Amino acid sequence: ETGVTQSPTHLIKTRGQQVTLRCSSQSGHNTVSWYQQALGQGPQFIFQYYREEENGRGNFPPRFSGLQFPNYSSELNVNALELDDSALYLCASSFRLAGQETQYFGPGTRLLVL
Amino acid sequence: GENVEQHPSTLSVQEGDSAVIKCTYSDSASNYFPWYKQELGKRPQLIIDIRSNVGEKKDQRIAVTLNKTAKHFSLHITETQPEDSAVYFCAASIGSNAGKSTFGDGTTLTVKP
Repeated sequence: ETGVTQSPTHLIKTRGQQVTLRCSSQSGHNTVSWYQQALGQGPQFIFQYYREEENGRGNFPPRFSGLQFPNYSSELNVNALELDDSALYLCASSFRLAGQETQYFGPGTRLLVL
Repeated sequence: GENVEQHPSTLSVQEGDSAVIKCTYSDSASNYFPWYKQELGKRPQLIIDIRSNVGEKKDQRIAVTLNKTAKHFSLHITETQPEDSAVYFCAASIGSNAGKSTFGDGTTLTVKP
């Protein structure tokens, strides 16, 4: 297993609420990416943080936001939840080294929006 | 942006046979191509990857081939075992930033004993 952890493991929210998901990166990793995986689909890139700065964003609205802390742990915040936000949210950490980067996934947080 | 297509969506083989999964990508700037295995309810696990300066890479029963000209890459599993049953995802990353991967929709592999 990787050293990437996520909390909580499961979460149930209602439409319109806000949620914060947390990720602890593997030791020594300075980059974290967040993905949304809907049932039966591949993970979709939400955004990446490198040394506490956003370093790229996928096709997700601004109500998806994030933070990376000095210890390289990270949060994903989703405001105004919609039913379609129900999915498995995965974080993945990696160490940025030109041409050699490999990412490792956490176990995910399964979010259900009712 | 990058677009990755993966085929087939389901694949059933007998134990001991080989399995091949194919992916195509659209952006010629993609340089990193990982493959992940995801068992039910678990995280995606990297099983093999290849970078654009290499045409083929092998790790025991698993191999990946890359054709940059045609923009396609394939996963080959030989001597399949029931524990190989899972969903397999290919991905492509522009540059070598593994953390900005575009994934295919997955292939559900079933290995029958």
